[in-house]
Amino acid sequence: SQKIEQNSEALNIQEGKTATLTCNYTNYSPAYLQWYRQDPGRGPVFLLLIRENEKEKRKERLKVTFDTTLKQSLFHITASQPADSATYLCALEGTGFQKLVFGTGTRLLVSP
Amino acid sequence: ETGVTQTPRHLVMGMTNKKSLKCEQHLGHNAMYWYKQSAKKPLELMFVYSLEERVENNSVPSRFSPECPNSSHLFLHLHTLQPEDSALYLCASSQVVGATSNTGELFFGEGSRLTVL
Repeated sequence: SQKIEQNSEALNIQEGKTATLTCNYTNYSPAYLQWYRQDPGRGPVFLLLIRENEKEKRKERLKVTFDTTLKQSLFHITASQPADSATYLCALEGTGFQKLVFGTGTRLLVSP
Repeated sequence: ETGVTQTPRHLVMGMTNKKSLKCEQHLGHNAMYWYKQSAKKPLELMFVYSLEERVENNSVPSRFSPECPNSSHLFLHLHTLQPEDSALYLCASSQVVGATSNTGELFFGEGSRLTVL
């Protein structure tokens, strides 16, 4: 069966450290993968997209990798700040009309 | 106004009520979506509209009825809901129309928190 797995346990790190979140998928062959940030009670906000032919993508303190062999994407936040505390969702291309399939998200807590 | 706006932000209704959720996008996009988000579950796609035509209906119960009168507005009409329908309902829009896309990036509204008593 098709699955997208993100660590359901919250990730707690200290300010200034690098946070690394994982997204693993099974039985998908996505052309691209996206990461979103969601704050409590708010809608998700798009952060980054990475295509299957890209190994790595960067945007300011964010870095995403995409390994189609391992079927895994890693999302890194360097020099993390308390304001980075949120839930991070990965989403990948599914089937059908522009269907994005989302993971359950990983909650990140950055302590001062 | 900019982005995607949803109203109301919070709604409490009884199982026999009829209510509607409204979504408006000011981004000039041509596709709009309704998603349901329940606790501990991934976002569930409910409906997709492209150029005001429904292109996807993910086996959603008929007590949820979408309406897209134009490319900027999307409604979700609610009737005889069940307590398990309580969730955050998210509207989103995107630029691309068709089976293939450049990015598929979604722009979400803030959501309507629905509680069914």
